[in-house]
Amino acid sequence: AQTVTQSQPEMSVQEAETVTLSCTYDTSESDYYLFWYKQPPSRQMILVIRQEAYKQQNATENRFSVNFQKAAKSFSLKISDSQLGDAAMYFCAYRSASGMNYGGSQGNLIFGKGTKLSVKP
Amino acid sequence: DGGITQSPKYLFRKEGQNVTLSCEQNLNHDAMYWYRQDPGQGLRLIYYSQIVNDFQKGDIAEGYSVSREKKESFPLTVTSAQKNPTAFYLCASSIWGKETQYFGPGTRLLVL
Repeated sequence: AQTVTQSQPEMSVQEAETVTLSCTYDTSESDYYLFWYKQPPSRQMILVIRQEAYKQQNATENRFSVNFQKAAKSFSLKISDSQLGDAAMYFCAYRSASGMNYGGSQGNLIFGKGTKLSVKP
Repeated sequence: DGGITQSPKYLFRKEGQNVTLSCEQNLNHDAMYWYRQDPGQGLRLIYYSQIVNDFQKGDIAEGYSVSREKKESFPLTVTSAQKNPTAFYLCASSIWGKETQYFGPGTRLLVL
């Protein structure tokens, strides 16, 4: 079974600085998707960024970028120019590509336990 | 505006009572999901549905039930068999065969 591990329960960053959140995962599959979701105090889960495993190029969305190391099974999130609104829980998630078209639980999201990010003014 | 709505925002359950959480989406998504979130934990899958009138158990389905009579709606019932129902419940949806799930605002369930 696949697992997702976020080893940093809490992180802190100064406003306008850069911070990197870590995520590792365990899988025997070669085709999958990885996600970072943000959960602010409102508790709604918001998609930040996603990465297809078959793409070598790291995904980027404005101030958010990932460092995807497939061989190392690592998927870190870098937040540049941190803003007060970035303060939230961040969850890394894995989804197999194999189950998506054929049904079954293989296509469902597997989440890490999250990293709480604080932003200091 | 397209999106996912969940109601109520807060729900209180008495011992031995069944309660139902609502989830509605107008995104025309095929698949819908229910997750449970406990403090300090990630999300765990309760049930999911790929099409109308079909649903499957997730990792922690015991004590819960669902129905999918309409594409737009996927209500979750927390039964009296669920001994520890206090948690935050999130509903999500996706286009089946597409990898990204979108989430509703959640329902906080508390036991009186």
